[in-house]
Amino acid sequence: DAKTTQPPSMDCAEGRAANLPCNHSTISGNEYVYWYRQIHSQGPQYIIHGLKNNETNEMASLIITEDRKSSTLILPHATLRDTAVYYCIVIGAAGNKLTFGGGTRVLVKP
Amino acid sequence: DTAVSQTPKYLVTQMGNDKSIKCEQNLGHDTMYWYKQDSKKFLKIMFSYNNKELIINETVPNRFSPKSPDKAHLNLHINSLELGDSAVYFCASTPRGQGAIQYFGAGTRLSVL
Repeated sequence: DAKTTQPPSMDCAEGRAANLPCNHSTISGNEYVYWYRQIHSQGPQYIIHGLKNNETNEMASLIITEDRKSSTLILPHATLRDTAVYYCIVIGAAGNKLTFGGGTRVLVKP
Repeated sequence: DTAVSQTPKYLVTQMGNDKSIKCEQNLGHDTMYWYKQDSKKFLKIMFSYNNKELIINETVPNRFSPKSPDKAHLNLHINSLELGDSAVYFCASTPRGQGAIQYFGAGTRLSVL
C-alpha cells in the first residue's frame, strides 16, 4: 500500500471549514484513499473514502486531485467535537489491513 | 446498543501473567480484527477472522492467541505477558465486501508492570 504524508497538526476555528491535506504520490491505479479519525480515548472512526472522483457524505467531503497524488478532507463546519487525530491511508480495493501512522492532530477552537 | 464492545476497558497486570480481552459485535458482520496501538499511536493489525476462520496473522508472537467461538465474538488471550505488550488493543469488524470500512471498539488499555 502507498505511503501517505500529513502535517502533524493544525488548528481550526469552530464553525469554519477545516481542510486537511494528504500527499500520496506513490498511489497506484487500484488504490483507494480512506480517511479515519480518532477522538481521544476512543477507537478509530471511518469518515469517507474515494478512488478518483470527489466524494461527499454527512461527515465530510473528499477532494482528490486529478493525478491522484494528493487529497484534501474537508470538514465543512468544524465543531469542538471534531477535535481528533485524522488519518489518511491508501489501500487496495480488496485491502483490509489498516495501518495508521502519525496523522494530523486537529484542534478546533471556540 | 453498542456496535463493537470490548471488555475490559482497562487491564493492569504483572509481567508473566495470562490475560484475556473479549470482543463482541452486534452488527452482523462476518469479519473481525484485533489491532495494537502503541504509545506513539501507530496502529497495526494483528489478526483477522472471517466467520470464525483465521485469515490474517501478522507475525504476532504465539503468546497471543485469538479465539472466535462464533462470528459475533473474537477474543484475545495473551500468555506470559511482557512489558512490551503494554498498549491499547482495538477490536474491529467489517461488513462483507467492505474490507477497509471497519467499525472499531473503544479499546482496551493494557498496562504490564
